[in-house]
Amino acid sequence: AQKVTQAQTEISVVEKEDVTLDCVYETRDTTYYLFWYKQPPSGELVFLIRRNSFDEQNEISGRYSWNFQKSTSSFNFTITASQVVDSAVYFCALSGTGANNLFFGTGTRLTVIP
Amino acid sequence: EAGVAQSPRYKIIEKRQSVAFWCNPISGHATLYWYQQILGQGPKLLIQFQNNGVVDDSQLPKDRFSAERLKGVDSTLKIQPAKLEDSAVYLCASSLFGGPGHYEQYFGPGTRLTVT
Repeated sequence: AQKVTQAQTEISVVEKEDVTLDCVYETRDTTYYLFWYKQPPSGELVFLIRRNSFDEQNEISGRYSWNFQKSTSSFNFTITASQVVDSAVYFCALSGTGANNLFFGTGTRLTVIP
Repeated sequence: EAGVAQSPRYKIIEKRQSVAFWCNPISGHATLYWYQQILGQGPKLLIQFQNNGVVDDSQLPKDRFSAERLKGVDSTLKIQPAKLEDSAVYLCASSLFGGPGHYEQYFGPGTRLTVT
C-alpha cells in the first residue's frame, strides 16, 4: 500500500525567510515516483517536480530545491527567500508501479507574511 | 495550449438530488482522471480512463457514482443520489498517456460541490 505523510499542517513564515516542507512516504514498490504539487487559492493543482526512485540527486530550480533520501523515505521541499506568491497548499504525492494514479498526502498550507 | 476545462465551477444541491460534472482534457491526452478532494485532505483518485476504457475505478462508490468518457475525449462524472459526505471539490486531470509516473498530470480548476 502507498502512503504519504505530511506532518506539517500549516506553516507561516515572514517574507524572505527560507522554509522546508516535509514529506515522508511508504511503499513496497522498488520503482516509484514522487511528486510535489502546489495548490494556490484558485484551486488548480500545479505540477512542481517528479522524481523516480533511482535518482537520489537533489534538484534545484530557482528558489525551489528538493532533497530526496531513500534511507529515511523522505522527499522534502525547500523554498528559499519565500515570497507572498508562494502562499498555497503544497501536496506531496507518490505513484507506484502499475497505474499512473497518484497517492497524495494531506498537504501543508504555507502562508508567507509580507 | 489550452488547459483542462471543467464545469460548473460551483454547485449546490440538496441530498438525494443528482448532479453531473463535465471535463474536457488537454487535446491529445489519452488518459483522464477524476479525483475527489474533501476539505483538508489530499485528492483521492475516483476513476482513471485510458481513451474511452476504464483503467482503475476501484475507489469509485459505484452504487451512486458513475462516469463515462465517450469517444475518448470529454468525460462526465455523475452522482445519483448525492449524500452530505459527497461535499468536496471534484478535480479532473489528464496526461498524455498512463503509466507509472512517466507522464505529468495536468489538473483542471475543479468543481466545488456542496450537498445540503
